[in-house]
Amino acid sequence: EVQLVESGGGLVQPGGSLRLSCAASGFSFSSYWMSWVRQAPGKGLEWVANIKQDGSEKYYVDSVEGRFTISRDNAKNSLYLQMNSLRAEDTAVYYCARRMGAFFGYWGQGTLVTVSS
Amino acid sequence: EIVLTQSPGTLSLSPGERATLSCRASQSVSSSYLAWYQQKPGQAPRLLIYGASSRATGIPDRFSGSGSGTDFTLTISRVEPEDFAVYYCQQYGSSPRMYTFGQGTKLEIK
Repeated sequence: EVQLVESGGGLVQPGGSLRLSCAASGFSFSSYWMSWVRQAPGKGLEWVANIKQDGSEKYYVDSVEGRFTISRDNAKNSLYLQMNSLRAEDTAVYYCARRMGAFFGYWGQGTLVTVSS
Repeated sequence: EIVLTQSPGTLSLSPGERATLSCRASQSVSSSYLAWYQQKPGQAPRLLIYGASSRATGIPDRFSGSGSGTDFTLTISRVEPEDFAVYYCQQYGSSPRMYTFGQGTKLEIK
């Protein structure tokens, strides 16, 4: 069974940093593109970033480019999102997702990031 | 950047009725790159339809997708109590490489 478990969320002040993790199991992690998708409270979904199987390609939504970094450790079956210079508008539930072609076939349960003073 | 607009914002139906949800793109979208998701309160989204019309694994056949170009539709033939949720369409763009979601349609019990 595919499982994706996010961790690392919490309350952080504006301008601060946070590192999210996603532990994957039940599939060959190193064979799939992986993504982060977020959802602000009461709002819709927003794709944040993608990373290729070997980490050689990474893509970001414009609003986080230069502030967030996606990475992975295939030996640990883990996906990460390093978030720097956080803003109030980054407040959201962050989901780890396994890509299925051009779509998101499996999702974790999410971890809440709150940016507030 | 392609913008997806979903309508209606809220759809109020009774169990057993037919639901028709619309997703309109600001530019033509390849059918291969259009998907629908269901999200229930407090849960992660679940992939329902990909490639505009293919059901994901385990999705009941009362869910169907159709459309091409700029107009896509998700149809629930007979709404079941467990289908009341928010539905999102999503497209993938190859240039630039990014994903966009519609703002969602809430299907509520009438």
